[in-house]
Amino acid sequence: IQLTQSPSSLSASVGDRVTITCRASQGISSYLAWYQQKPGKAPKLLIYAASTLQSGVPSRFSGSGSGTDFTLTISSLQPEDFATYYCQQLNSYPPTFGGGTKVEIK
Amino acid sequence: QITLKESGPTLVKPTQTLTLTCTFSGFSLSTSGVGVGWIRQPPGKALEWLALIYWNDDKRYSPSLKSRLTITKDTSKNQVVLTMTNMDPVDTATYYCAHRQGANLFDYWGQGTLVTVSS
Repeated sequence: IQLTQSPSSLSASVGDRVTITCRASQGISSYLAWYQQKPGKAPKLLIYAASTLQSGVPSRFSGSGSGTDFTLTISSLQPEDFATYYCQQLNSYPPTFGGGTKVEIK
Repeated sequence: QITLKESGPTLVKPTQTLTLTCTFSGFSLSTSGVGVGWIRQPPGKALEWLALIYWNDDKRYSPSLKSRLTITKDTSKNQVVLTMTNMDPVDTATYYCAHRQGANLFDYWGQGTLVTVSS
């Protein structure tokens, strides 16, 4: 299953609302996760089951979607949110990741 | 508290075999449902899942790399070992191990180890 993220990069300001999309090549129900990765660091799990926030993740992060189309939304971008975000499908083997979306400072 | 840490060579020559060890704490690989996976990331590129081993010794591999990969576990040592044969410069990447929490969700990751393939 291929995952296509868009955009591949974006520039935004602190306080902006940011939306990232992830499209699966076939239906995956809600078996989708989102990760945040900062330079030189391991990915950090943000959201699983498409919309469930991992413990400790700020509520400004939210996820939605099912089937083939998913979104990650950051309601009010904070300085620590500048990073690369990846989606991952959990529906079937092999688990696959999207190409990533880099969120940069405007 | 779950922690994982990768170890192994930082430099390997083309055609050599890479052996990486993931040493973990805070969970047992003998507990039903638990798994440990390996994921890699070439410099500046996206994540790629490689392999996963379950508590019951079931093993899964990336179809594109299956012929080159072997994953094993030593429950008594809390370690998982990944071997990759016939290394090539395109295998240069940071290799991560991660704790699997149900449905191939990776909720805890090691810090990663950069492996460079060069003669």
